[in-house]
Amino acid sequence: DAKTTQPTSMDCAEGRAANLPCNHSTISGNEYVYWYRQIHSQGPQYIIHGLKNNETNEMASLIITEDRKSSTLILPHATLRDTAVYYCIVRVVVGTASKLTFGTGTRLQVTL
Amino acid sequence: AAGVIQSPRHLIKEKRETATLKCYPIPRHDTVYWYQQGPGQDPQFLISFYEKMQSDKGSIPDRFSAQQFSDYHSELNMSSLELGDSALYFCASSLVGGSVADTQYFGPGTRLTVL
Repeated sequence: DAKTTQPTSMDCAEGRAANLPCNHSTISGNEYVYWYRQIHSQGPQYIIHGLKNNETNEMASLIITEDRKSSTLILPHATLRDTAVYYCIVRVVVGTASKLTFGTGTRLQVTL
Repeated sequence: AAGVIQSPRHLIKEKRETATLKCYPIPRHDTVYWYQQGPGQDPQFLISFYEKMQSDKGSIPDRFSAQQFSDYHSELNMSSLELGDSALYFCASSLVGGSVADTQYFGPGTRLTVL
């Protein structure tokens, strides 16, 4: 699976949009971009995933560049409960079970 | 909606003892994954099962074994426990069969402490 690079930490004011970048310059054509987050010692929580088109769900938006070498997770209105470690994971999905390879992630701190 | 269930949530064992962790996947999910997260570390993949067959294996010690049963629940068996096995153990499940891109959903984890 392709390696990802994320900032170690970020701060965001409550109510503002949190934009979390991820670089995956070696991504292959059959690899998806997945985002998970982990709130202190809880099980990782799925947020969103995409292949090449931008995606939006009730939690967040995922913007993938045209060359697919980077992406941005957007939390439109961050709250204190969004404080967590956010993981960007690139993963081959070909109809068989494939693992998630967690990197160090971005520690997002949402403040008042 | 039903989530992944793990039991027990907390487990304390002595060195050289054995432990069994159980995972009950989301109904109709056919795949189970096990991950280990040591203190201050990121989750690391251990092993996975698709339709009751082992599908992938990570850095799982030989002292550990796992299986998926006919009802799709899975058990992780850990023998000769060492202090370094103290960690959070997460199970995740997904529906692979018929999916274009399956999504793994995680359980709350089992915190294992080896004394």
